[in-house]
Amino acid sequence: GENVEQHPSTLSVQEGDSAVIKCTYSDSASNYFPWYKQELGKRPQLIIDIRSNVGEKKDQRIAVTLNKTAKHFSLHITETQPEDSAVYFCAASAHNYGQNFVFGPGTRLSVLP
Amino acid sequence: ETGVTQSPTHLIKTRGQQVTLRCSSQSGHNTVSWYQQALGQGPQFIFQYYREEENGRGNFPPRFSGLQFPNYSSELNVNALELDDSALYLCASSSKGSGYGYTFGSGTRLTVV
Repeated sequence: GENVEQHPSTLSVQEGDSAVIKCTYSDSASNYFPWYKQELGKRPQLIIDIRSNVGEKKDQRIAVTLNKTAKHFSLHITETQPEDSAVYFCAASAHNYGQNFVFGPGTRLSVLP
Repeated sequence: ETGVTQSPTHLIKTRGQQVTLRCSSQSGHNTVSWYQQALGQGPQFIFQYYREEENGRGNFPPRFSGLQFPNYSSELNVNALELDDSALYLCASSSKGSGYGYTFGSGTRLTVV
């Protein structure tokens, strides 16, 4: 089955700097890769996703890149702000329909003022 | 458009007891998936229901069971509770074929003592 690894487990950056979180997956059949942000005590919220037919996707300060050959994808946050502090999870799915995600273990991002 | 709602929000049970958690899917969504999120970890897939039938199952024992009703709401039942069952249980709904990521509910925090 699919296995998703995520690094680093914790990340501290200064406000205004960039943050990068990397994930690798094992199942070459996976074709959908969402990223979720989870604040303390709250539900995971989808922040960006990418499909396997696209190499990069950007939404304001957030971007995701995908390397299908190497089976890894990354989340990039630019101009970080204190409200970006949260746990971020990557996930992989072999379906186009939002089914059966395998999540990474999470990255705790702290943006220091 | 209503979101995914889960009940109860918190629950304390004794080892060996049984518990039922409930989830109402987002309007227009016909697929419900359940995840277990232990403290400090990513969500782990339990199972998914589509058109009132189980449509995929993760690595969880048979004492984890579920139902989906004609209105697409769902229940997660756990029998013979163990201490390790203590976790946040997340319900996510999606529209099969939509191609979009899940919408998660706020979860039920289950504590087994």
